[in-house]
Amino acid sequence: SAVISQKPSRDICQRGTSLTIQCQVDSQVTMMFWYRQQPGQSLTLIATANQGSEATYESGFVIDKFPISRPNLTFSTLTVSNMSPEDSSIYLCSVERQGATGELFFGEGSRLTVL
Amino acid sequence: QKEVEQNSGPLSVPEGAIASLNCTYSDRGSQSFFWYRQYSGKSPELIMSIYSNGDKEDGRFTAQLNKASQYVSLLIRDSQPSDSATYLCAVKSFAGSSASKIIFGSGTRLSIRP
Repeated sequence: SAVISQKPSRDICQRGTSLTIQCQVDSQVTMMFWYRQQPGQSLTLIATANQGSEATYESGFVIDKFPISRPNLTFSTLTVSNMSPEDSSIYLCSVERQGATGELFFGEGSRLTVL
Repeated sequence: QKEVEQNSGPLSVPEGAIASLNCTYSDRGSQSFFWYRQYSGKSPELIMSIYSNGDKEDGRFTAQLNKASQYVSLLIRDSQPSDSATYLCAVKSFAGSSASKIIFGSGTRLSIRP
């Protein structure tokens, strides 16, 4: 199993500011996934981050709002830009189990509250 | 139509009984199906994966897949209070030529009553 560390675990942010979430994996992985889980809701895929290429964003999510970096095979960041209260959510980083595509491991999540 | 549908619950089951959780999906081309458990305030954790029609058993858990009916279920035998959680159904959907992605249902909240 992969060990995934996310920082920060939680934060309270002011409207209009930006916050960067970091995700560190203990092994090299091709793809890293960023999900959002709004209060009482299920997981929604924001984007898939591949090392060395632009992230692939899902419908409803744009790079200007959620820029992603993937500088190497063990690390990624997700920035939530120009935050509004609607961005209050848990943001989860995940990776697939090696050789068993579709089985995901998740980080502990970053709980953001925007005032 | 949602891509992965689940009854949100809550589903209340007495301790020791069988809990049955259901999920339907819309993409007939989907090949991989998963059940995740999420305790309150925690991240999801994988409990079962199933790739072919029929049943797959792992301890007290049995996943059932019927691709013709586009239906996936999870049975939990001898339910324990520690099984109380939200169960998320997930499907690996192939989006044409782009990378496949994993889509989650809204989850079913399960409560095991002593």
